[in-house]
Amino acid sequence: DQQVKQNSPSLSVQEGRISILNCDYTNSMFDYFLWYKKYPAEGPTFLISISSIKDKNEDGRFTVFLNKSAKHLSLHIVPSQPGDSAVYFCAASDADKLIFGTGTRLQVFP
Amino acid sequence: DTGVSQNPRHKITKRGQNVTFRCDPISEHNRLYWYRQTLGQGPEFLTYFQNEAQLEKSRLLSDRFSAERPKGSFSTLEIQRTEQGDSAMYLCASSLVVGYQETQYFGPGTRLLVL
Repeated sequence: DQQVKQNSPSLSVQEGRISILNCDYTNSMFDYFLWYKKYPAEGPTFLISISSIKDKNEDGRFTVFLNKSAKHLSLHIVPSQPGDSAVYFCAASDADKLIFGTGTRLQVFP
Repeated sequence: DTGVSQNPRHKITKRGQNVTFRCDPISEHNRLYWYRQTLGQGPEFLTYFQNEAQLEKSRLLSDRFSAERPKGSFSTLEIQRTEQGDSAMYLCASSLVVGYQETQYFGPGTRLLVL
């Protein structure tokens, strides 16, 4: 069973606009969440994280929102840039390991 | 470069052969993880080390797989008698545990193709 789900396999956004990537999880015991970006032929690169004691964390153009009651988090990228085009993975910390979603491919076009 | 490094970056082998991958973590990191990623999926946890102790292994890690981290520094992942289903990207990550939350930093991965 998929404990972390990213239901949108792809997203296309115009440069300068907001990109919103969504993630749902099933285990209410998860208390730390991370977003990674992955380019082809490279390993995932850490972007931003959020603890369950917060509902928002911001770092430059990236903001992560957590809704614990809905077991939902989202990553907002504002403004989107062509260099943001990549696959984005949501991950939940389960004790000592990460459980990843299947990823969302973001394409930012001019 | 002070990130996580992995070697080789690519490996092509024939079914039945043994392969070994190496991971060098960020120097001050005490935890080291191995994940596997197949096409269209997110990385899946295989095993991890705290210093030189292997603390957890996934059921994905069959008895053909073995991992070591001698002296708590670099780690090796060996796959014996490779099968076509072993074809995947093998990712290594390291972290420094401070408090109860940690961030894992990934290497570039080793892409394995079993013919």
